[in-house]
Amino acid sequence: AQSVTQLDSHVSVSEGTPVLLRCNYSSSYSPSLFWYVQHPNKGLQLLLKYTSAATLVKGINGFEAEFKKSETSFHLTKPSAHMSDAAEYFCVVSEGDAGNMLTFGGGTRLMVKP
Amino acid sequence: DVKVTQSSRYLVKRTGEKVFLECVQDMDHENMFWYRQDPGLGLRLIYFSYDVKMKEKGDIPEGYSVSREKKERFSLILESASTNQTSMYLCASSSTGLANNEQFFGPGTRLTVL
Repeated sequence: AQSVTQLDSHVSVSEGTPVLLRCNYSSSYSPSLFWYVQHPNKGLQLLLKYTSAATLVKGINGFEAEFKKSETSFHLTKPSAHMSDAAEYFCVVSEGDAGNMLTFGGGTRLMVKP
Repeated sequence: DVKVTQSSRYLVKRTGEKVFLECVQDMDHENMFWYRQDPGLGLRLIYFSYDVKMKEKGDIPEGYSVSREKKERFSLILESASTNQTSMYLCASSSTGLANNEQFFGPGTRLTVL
């Protein structure tokens, strides 16, 4: 069975400072991992995905995430926060044989202060 | 451009009413999904379908049913709405042939049951 834990329900940063959103996963197989972002009153948008290629994955809007198998982690980072990054972020795991099934973490709400 | 649409952004219904939520995708995807989103719980899978007239229960199917008569359309039905079904409902679709199980989401329907 697969599961995802997002370690912080809320993260607050100042504009221009680094962002770190933490995610740990549990999976019986080689997982695919995703980060989705949801801006207020918008649908979910894919930020980036890990698919067993390079362990450092670059996504849109300057975000990146590193797959660490030994730590079962897939933390999302960005060097410098922008006001437009304020949103809710979801870490997601999918097992290859689960037939397109995704398991979502509880979400982390990112607040960016001016 | 990939598109998933949902029939309503906001819906208010009374306890005991029958409620239909409609979802349409224009990408010729085989797989379609219904989730509900609640604060702190992330997205939880209600039902999914991997082909026309096929359906599978997700993690929380109780109180819901679905219908998929055409490939592009997936309907979620609340036979007798209850207040604990007040939530945000998200539809998604994916292609079986698309690598790594990426799902594309609609904007969501916020349902309030009074």
